[in-house]
Amino acid sequence: NAGVMQNPRHLVRRRGQEARLRCSPMKGHSHVYWYRQLPEEGLKFMVYLQKENIIDESGMPKERFSAEFPKEGPSILRIQQVVRGDSAAYFCASSPLQAGTEAFFGQGTRLTVV
Amino acid sequence: GNSVTQMEGPVTLSEEAFLTINCTYTATGYPSLFWYVQYPGEGLQLLLKATKADDKGSNKGFEATYRKETTSFHLEKGSVQVSDSAVYFCALSDPYGSEKLVFGKGTKLTVNP
Repeated sequence: NAGVMQNPRHLVRRRGQEARLRCSPMKGHSHVYWYRQLPEEGLKFMVYLQKENIIDESGMPKERFSAEFPKEGPSILRIQQVVRGDSAAYFCASSPLQAGTEAFFGQGTRLTVV
Repeated sequence: GNSVTQMEGPVTLSEEAFLTINCTYTATGYPSLFWYVQYPGEGLQLLLKATKADDKGSNKGFEATYRKETTSFHLEKGSVQVSDSAVYFCALSDPYGSEKLVFGKGTKLTVNP
């Protein structure tokens, strides 16, 4: 059973471009959480999704950020018009139930905005 | 709101030394408490957890006890190894709503031979 797969592992974008981060949950998991880790900081919750639904987006910046988890395919975190402050590691976690505490984490996507 | 405070790093120890990383929390309700470990370039791995007061979580020689009276969940290991070098995160689950995790800032541990 493959773990949580995130791609790409590293992403470089110029200011103003769009960044798309993908997360394929573990097989059988229908709950996905996205977290952001800024340099020298802990992880901060961004958004919690179930298939085709956003359940909790209280940690998402109000502008430029969006997330989806379609019926088929991976969950996508999309950042439009990236700025240098978006440079961070973005981690996805999946779980089979609404039990984020039993979530399994992917290896993360490290976004660098130049 | 919910928050986690853990001791500032970095922490440098010699092999076989005793490890303590302090963690305290603020939360409404009764959260579950966790320690995660992050090895260089990797994602987070659950190290141990405790779901109610006085529970002790343990794994790979690490232990932590859920202390409601002191709102603490300190991580301990009696004899560290070089392979324990990593960043350790204390976290709690939001007991209401989506059970998202609230993390401390992390403590970097380096163990020298």
